Amino acid sequence: DSGVTQTPKHLITATGQRVTLRCSPRSGDLSVYWYQQSLDQGLQFLIQYYNGEERAKGNILERFSAQQFPDLHSELNLSSLELGDSALYFCASSVASGLAGGRTGELFFGEGSRLTVL
Amino acid sequence: SQQGEEDPQALSIQEGENATMNCSYKTSINNLQWYRQNSGRGLVHLILIRSNEREKHSGRLRVTLDTSKKSSSLLITASRAADTASYFCATARGAGSYQLTFGKGTKLSVIP
Repeated sequence: DSGVTQTPKHLITATGQRVTLRCSPRSGDLSVYWYQQSLDQGLQFLIQYYNGEERAKGNILERFSAQQFPDLHSELNLSSLELGDSALYFCASSVASGLAGGRTGELFFGEGSRLTVL
Repeated sequence: SQQGEEDPQALSIQEGENATMNCSYKTSINNLQWYRQNSGRGLVHLILIRSNEREKHSGRLRVTLDTSKKSSSLLITASRAADTASYFCATARGAGSYQLTFGKGTKLSVIP
C-alpha cells in the first residue's frame, strides 16, 4: 500500500460528459502529480501541484483541469469527454517540490482510476 | 513525448534466470528511476540512480547508468514468478525536477 488513495477505481461514462477524479496523497507529502496511461501513448505526465500551487504542466488538454486543496487532496476534472480519453489516470505524491536542492524524486503512486468513455 | 525507451518490449524467461532490461534516453538527466507495475495496478518505485552514479544495488536488483551513452540497464537476478510485471524507466531532467518522463516499459514474464 503506497498510502496514496484514488477514487473512483472505475468509471464508465458517455462522450461529452464531465468527470472528477480524486486523489489523497500520502500523509506529509506536499506534491501531487497526475499521469495518464493508455496503450498507445504510455504514461503521460499531465500536471503537478505543490502545496496548493501549480508547479509543472505536461501534456494536459485544455478540457482537463486540476487543483490541489488546502488539505492537500487533489482533483482532476475531465470535461467534454471523448473516446480517446479512456485510460488509467494515476495520481502520485512526493514529499518534495522539485525545486533545486530538493530531495530524492521517488514518487508514490495510487492504484489509479480507470476511465471508460463510451 | 517519451524520454526513455525500454528494450526489449517484452521478455520471457524461466524462473531462476536473470532478466536484463535496457533503457535509453535523449536529454541530460538529474536522475533515472525504475518502477514496476503489476497488471492494471499502480507503479511501485524500485530504485533511483543519480547522474553521478554508475551502479547501484538493491536486493536482487542491479542498475547501471552510462550517461555518455544515455542508457541504463536493470538486472533482476534469480527471477521469480512474482517478478512478472512491466518495468519502466523514468528520467528526471533538471536538478530537483520531479516531472518524471516514463518510457513505454518492458513486459517481463517469468515462467515457473
